[in-house]
Amino acid sequence: GNSVTQMEGPVTLSEEAFLTINCTYTATGYPSLFWYVQYPGEGLQLLLKATKADDKGSNKGFEATYRKETTSFHLEKGSVQVSDSAVYFCALSDQGAQKLVFGQGTRLTINP
Amino acid sequence: NAGVMQNPRHLVRRRGQEARLRCSPMKGHSHVYWYRQLPEEGLKFMVYLQKENIIDESGMPKERFSAEFPKEGPSILRIQQVVRGDSAAYFCASIRGAMNTEAFFGQGTRLTVV
Repeated sequence: GNSVTQMEGPVTLSEEAFLTINCTYTATGYPSLFWYVQYPGEGLQLLLKATKADDKGSNKGFEATYRKETTSFHLEKGSVQVSDSAVYFCALSDQGAQKLVFGQGTRLTINP
Repeated sequence: NAGVMQNPRHLVRRRGQEARLRCSPMKGHSHVYWYRQLPEEGLKFMVYLQKENIIDESGMPKERFSAEFPKEGPSILRIQQVVRGDSAAYFCASIRGAMNTEAFFGQGTRLTVV
């Protein structure tokens, strides 16, 4: 079945460092891909999405490109801030079953 | 424009009791999903509902768990005879229609079974 694999966490960086969180997927067909962010004690918020190959999603300085050839959707940010500390989830939409399939999440901590 | 509303935010139940979790989707949304998040884990799909119809319940445990989304009122996730292993955060998400659109999540209900 469809699945999402994320980089193991936790990840700890200093403020202004470069961030990459890896995400690869297995899917039949052409899923849409998403990154969600979960702040402490909160629900998930959509961070960015891409609906077809080579699309780049971007928001709040974060970017991710839908790479069909490598089945990847890695999340990047050039300069992280303390406020970016959260858990990040990669997900795909399973078109056939009409549901979101999530990776296990990556906890990110940014130190000042 | 109210978002997805879940209540209660926190729920404590003793083993053997029943837990009822409620979810009111965003206005105009007629599709609801329930997910379970165990501590330090990702979200696991449980069930997908439209009003008065269960579309996909492949993630629901076969016993003790049920879900409904009536024509009027919130969606309800019901857990009968709770056990300690049911302790988790339960999230509801709603969408307007097709899966390419954004899913809006509620803040979750954190169930603790003592």
